Amino acid sequence: AQTVTQSQPEMSVQEAETVTLSCTYDTSESNYYLFWYKQPPSRQMILVIRQEAYKQQNATENRFSVNFQKAAKSFSLKISDSQLGDTAMYFCALRNSGNTPLVFGKGTRLSVIA
Amino acid sequence: DTGVSQDPRHKITKRGQNVTFRCDPISEHNRLYWYRQTLGQGPEFLTYFQNEAQLEKSRLLSDRFSAERPKGSFSTLEIQRTEQGDSAMYLCASSLETGNTEAFFGQGTRLTVV
Repeated sequence: AQTVTQSQPEMSVQEAETVTLSCTYDTSESNYYLFWYKQPPSRQMILVIRQEAYKQQNATENRFSVNFQKAAKSFSLKISDSQLGDTAMYFCALRNSGNTPLVFGKGTRLSVIA
Repeated sequence: DTGVSQDPRHKITKRGQNVTFRCDPISEHNRLYWYRQTLGQGPEFLTYFQNEAQLEKSRLLSDRFSAERPKGSFSTLEIQRTEQGDSAMYLCASSLETGNTEAFFGQGTRLTVV
């Protein structure tokens, strides 16, 4: 069975600072995909960043980047220059290839403080 | 196309009543997923479709739950004889079958059973 663990229920960061959210996972598959989704209060979940397990290079999307450590089964999200609009729940998720259903962690509630 | 839409956004029902939720996916997406999210938890997979075929059901999906996607477009999720433990946010997502693309989520239907 696949599992995703987010060990930080809540975090806060000052505006313009950098924050890192942790995620570990377990899977027996060799080909899989990892995601970070953002769920703002009362709004729909949107994709922040994705990583293919077969790619060694860490994914980057503007202020968002990941540190993918395949051997350690770790997939952390770094948010640089935090903005008030980054306040949200962040979910780490995993799925096999072929657009199979996602397995989510419990989430980390991030608050960006002015 | 405005994305994945779900109806209703909120539903309050008395214990023992039946409820039905609707999801309209992005029009070209042939995969459709249902998840359930309770307070403080990440979304949990319930079931998913490829076109009109139901490919997988989670063991979380008791006999009181049924989902359909009759013409491979919109989907309905019905809960019979609702219980207080069914209170949750029900999320729908859609994606393409191939290309290992992301899943797009709707805003969810929040069910409260009183």
